Amino acid sequence: DAGVTQSPTHLIKTRGQQVTLRCSPKSGHDTVSWYQQALGQGPQFIFQYYEEEERQRGNFPDRFSGHQFPNYSSELNVNALLLGDSALYLCASSLWGAETQYFGPGTRLLVL
Amino acid sequence: AQSVTQPDIHITVSEGASLELRCNYSYGATPYLFWYVQSPGQGLQLLLKYFSGDTLVQGIKGFEAEFKRSQSSFNLRKPSVHWSDAAEYFCASTGTASKLTFGTGTRLQVTL
Repeated sequence: DAGVTQSPTHLIKTRGQQVTLRCSPKSGHDTVSWYQQALGQGPQFIFQYYEEEERQRGNFPDRFSGHQFPNYSSELNVNALLLGDSALYLCASSLWGAETQYFGPGTRLLVL
Repeated sequence: AQSVTQPDIHITVSEGASLELRCNYSYGATPYLFWYVQSPGQGLQLLLKYFSGDTLVQGIKGFEAEFKRSQSSFNLRKPSVHWSDAAEYFCASTGTASKLTFGTGTRLQVTL
């Protein structure tokens, strides 16, 4: 039973560029949430997708956008990258309405 | 708004000693509470969760946590720590919305 997978594992970009991160949920899960974890901090909620729609959003600017596909996988897009966007980006999956989320290994993004 | 506080940034214990990591939450009702562990460069692994019922919950790897409503606390404990327990530990909560709110984490160091 495959857990949550994310790609790529590491990424280096320069300021102003755009980036796309990918996530495949745990088998049987239909909901994907994205979190940003800055160095030395706890994860911060970005947004959650279910049925291909954004259902909840945290306190992140519109530069952060996402998408969910019919197979429940998801992408996180960040435009106009800033140095402060350097972080570990975590994807979590769950069943819609369930409280327990399972996390992937994360994508470490470095913005130079 | 929900918040989670982990008062201890860094804790060092000797292998074989007992461990208690503190967590306090702020929420109007009884939240759902979680403890996750993160090894260096890795994603988050769920240790245990509390939704309702018995206030002492058992988790994986020999961890347990006790919910105390009167103290708004959900402290994590382990009777005998192993060197492999060295990691970052995050307490998290969620209310009616399913987004997780995390504390800033406690880094556990285990001395041999």
